Amino acid sequence: AQSVSQHNHHVILSEAASLELGCNYSYGGTVNLFWYVQYPGQHLQLLLKYFSGDPLVKGIKGFEAEFIKSKFSFNLRKPSVQWSDTAEYFCAAGGNTGFQKLVFGTGTRLLVSP
Amino acid sequence: DVKVTQSSRYLVKRTGEKVFLECVQDMDHENMFWYRQDPGLGLRLIYFSYDVKMKEKGDIPEGYSVSREKKERFSLILESASTNQTSMYLCASSWVVAGVYEQYFGPGTRLTVT
Repeated sequence: AQSVSQHNHHVILSEAASLELGCNYSYGGTVNLFWYVQYPGQHLQLLLKYFSGDPLVKGIKGFEAEFIKSKFSFNLRKPSVQWSDTAEYFCAAGGNTGFQKLVFGTGTRLLVSP
Repeated sequence: DVKVTQSSRYLVKRTGEKVFLECVQDMDHENMFWYRQDPGLGLRLIYFSYDVKMKEKGDIPEGYSVSREKKERFSLILESASTNQTSMYLCASSWVVAGVYEQYFGPGTRLTVT
């Protein structure tokens, strides 16, 4: 069965600290991977995606993620977080043929203290 | 700019009422989705549609139905609302960007059933 696991449910960091959020997936066949972010009171937005090529993917707002096929992982990173990064982050996986459904992880709430 | 709109941001209904949640997208996307978002559970797919009048069950369709009479509009129906359907409901539509289906989300409807 397809599934996505996010290991950290709540993360608290100080500004300027480095961030790494874990994501592991179980998905048969070729997989596309996504990180979405939901800022307080706002709609879900796409941060970055991986579908092929360079396993290190750069997204918006200084975020990046690395696809490690052997570990079935797609961890999100940012070298130095800001207070404005306080949000909930969701990892998602989907297929790349025809119609695509996404399977989402349970989310990680990040709180960045100033 | 892709725009997905939902008819209400907040809704309060009584147990047993029939509830309609409306979603409209303005980009001629074929695929549309309804999710519910609950703390600690992430996003779970209720129903999706890949064309007008076409619908498929997602992971948690019980207690819900959908309607897609026009390409731009996808409605979620709670036939007889119950308190366990109190949740945030997210609509999304998807399109292909560089060979990958990306989903775009509406702002959500927070439904409370009393």
